[in-house]
Amino acid sequence: EVQLVESGGGLVQPGGSLRLSCAASGFSFSSYAMLWVRQTPGKGLEYVSAISSNGGSTYYANSVKGRFTISRDNSKNTLYLQMGSLRAEDMAVYYCARDLGYCGSISCSPDYWGQGTLVTVSS
Amino acid sequence: QTVVTQEPSLTVSPGGTVTLTCASSTGAVTSGYYPNWFQQKPGQAPRALIYSTSNKHSWTPARFSGSLLGGKAALTLSGVQPEDEAEYYCLLFYGGARVFGGGTKLTVL
Repeated sequence: EVQLVESGGGLVQPGGSLRLSCAASGFSFSSYAMLWVRQTPGKGLEYVSAISSNGGSTYYANSVKGRFTISRDNSKNTLYLQMGSLRAEDMAVYYCARDLGYCGSISCSPDYWGQGTLVTVSS
Repeated sequence: QTVVTQEPSLTVSPGGTVTLTCASSTGAVTSGYYPNWFQQKPGQAPRALIYSTSNKHSWTPARFSGSLLGGKAALTLSGVQPEDEAEYYCLLFYGGARVFGGGTKLTVL
């Protein structure tokens, strides 16, 4: 059974940093692209970042480019999102998701999602 | 900035058919945008339904189908069930961006 479990969310002050983790199990993690999507409370979804299976290619939304870094450790079956210079508008539930691989190394077909971790940015 | 537009809300009767659409501010949606559709119920994570316009995931009920319709991506539910009441989001892949629509709240009444 595919499982994705996010952790690392919490309360952080504006300008602060936080690292999210996503522990994957039930599939060959190193074979799949992975991504992060966030959802502001009561609002819609925003595609934040993606990384290819070997970590060689990454994508960032303009809203987080230069502040967030996506990475993965295939030996630990874990996806990360390092978030810096956090702003109030970064406050959201952050979901990690796997990509089915329809487009090869590029993410275009998210399939399995975790349950999310809440990031609160407030002083 | 690219905007993806969905109907804010739709209502359908049980057993009925409804089509949700997904439009792009850049023009017609084509298969090259690899339209995806997701269902989200309150308090739950999104669940993938459709990828690359019309491909279903192994868990997607047969009553859900995806297509291109009039320059938009479309999700059609045939024989709607009460449990289909949810928010539905489309996702389009552009060359340099991945953009979700604002979501359609589907009410089954």
